[in-house]
Amino acid sequence: QKEVEQDPGPLSVPEGAIVSLNCTYSNSAFQYFMWYRQYSRKGPELLMYTYSSGNKEDGRFTAQVDKSSKYISLFIRDSQPSDSATYLCAMSVDKIIFGKGTRLHILP
Amino acid sequence: GAVVSQHPSRVICKSGTSVKIECRSLDFQATTMFWYRQFPKKSLMLMATSNEGSKATYEQGVEKDKFLINHASLTLSTLTVTSAHPEDSSFYICSAKAGARGYTFGSGTRLTVV
Repeated sequence: QKEVEQDPGPLSVPEGAIVSLNCTYSNSAFQYFMWYRQYSRKGPELLMYTYSSGNKEDGRFTAQVDKSSKYISLFIRDSQPSDSATYLCAMSVDKIIFGKGTRLHILP
Repeated sequence: GAVVSQHPSRVICKSGTSVKIECRSLDFQATTMFWYRQFPKKSLMLMATSNEGSKATYEQGVEKDKFLINHASLTLSTLTVTSAHPEDSSFYICSAKAGARGYTFGSGTRLTVV
């Protein structure tokens, strides 16, 4: 079993819809949970960074961590075409382990 | 804050030559930096952990003699791809942990070996 599992997509949703992106993990030692957005040919950009279980909101983005289920989610409200990118979940103890990334397309 | 600058953004080199990629933390000190490699439409694969003032820690399967890492100061780590071959063509990305602000990434270097 891989340490971090993420559906690669692609995921296509209409503009304005709520997007839900998810990852599962197997290593209970992970302490930090992150979501990155990556545009084509660019480095990843940190969107959300959480340490504990629960929800964290930042503008249109909400990150959710459920340590008991080893499951994390990223919700994007009022999705925009500019949100089209690859979204990578990541987790760390002393080094970051990334999911494969989910390619998201927001259709105008 | 927490900016990591990576240079060059794009490099083309001839097979057999060496290429150096720099990663700088601009507004914070990074005792540890990380180097990743990313193939098209694939996730980032950790290559090595760069430790200031000591040897880098390489992940399994990464050739330490091919990918030389030097972390000479708290703000600079370099990755040198030695005797590059076409199969080394990839997107290389560095990262550093900026304390409570989490991990910040450079913008990446697209290496093409011809």
